[in-house]
Amino acid sequence: DAKTTQPPSMDCAEGRAANLPCNHSTISGNEYVYWYRQIHSQGPQYIIHGLKNNETNEMASLIITEDRKSSTLILPHATLRDTAVYYCIVRSVNTGNQFYFGTGTSLTVIP
Amino acid sequence: DVKVTQSSRYLVKRTGEKVFLECVQDMDHENMFWYRQDPGLGLRLIYFSYDVKMKEKGDIPEGYSVSREKKERFSLILESASTNQTSMYLCASSLIAVLGGGEQYFGPGTRLTVT
Repeated sequence: DAKTTQPPSMDCAEGRAANLPCNHSTISGNEYVYWYRQIHSQGPQYIIHGLKNNETNEMASLIITEDRKSSTLILPHATLRDTAVYYCIVRSVNTGNQFYFGTGTSLTVIP
Repeated sequence: DVKVTQSSRYLVKRTGEKVFLECVQDMDHENMFWYRQDPGLGLRLIYFSYDVKMKEKGDIPEGYSVSREKKERFSLILESASTNQTSMYLCASSLIAVLGGGEQYFGPGTRLTVT
């Protein structure tokens, strides 16, 4: 699976959009981008995933660049409960159903 | 909603003890996974199972074994616990994914301390 690079930490003001970047420059054509988050002392939670088109659900939006070498997770109106570690994962169908979690981005939403 | 439950939130065991960590999911998922999570190392896959009685080694299987006798239950076994197995253990389940999808649903975790 392609390696991902994320900033170790970010801050965001409450009510503002949180934009979390992820680089995956070695991504290949059949690899999907997934985002999970982990709130302290809980198990990771699935947020969203995509292949090449932008995706939106009730939690977030995922913007994937045209060359697919990077993506951005957008939380449109961050709340204090969005404080968590966010993981960007690139997964190939060839590796079955395994996910390789890195160390993620620790997002702190500031009141 | 998918629910993944783990038998204990906190567990303290002594070195050399045999330890069982149980995980149950209620969504008829084929796949189940065991991870451990340590500061600075992220989540690391120990074992996974894609069907009853089937198991595959993950990245760090040494010192662990697993059992999947029923589809909804996946057990992680530490045959002889050691202090370096002190960690947060996370169980997850998912449907089989051919292309996209296959997102994993996690339990709340078991924080195991081996003294």
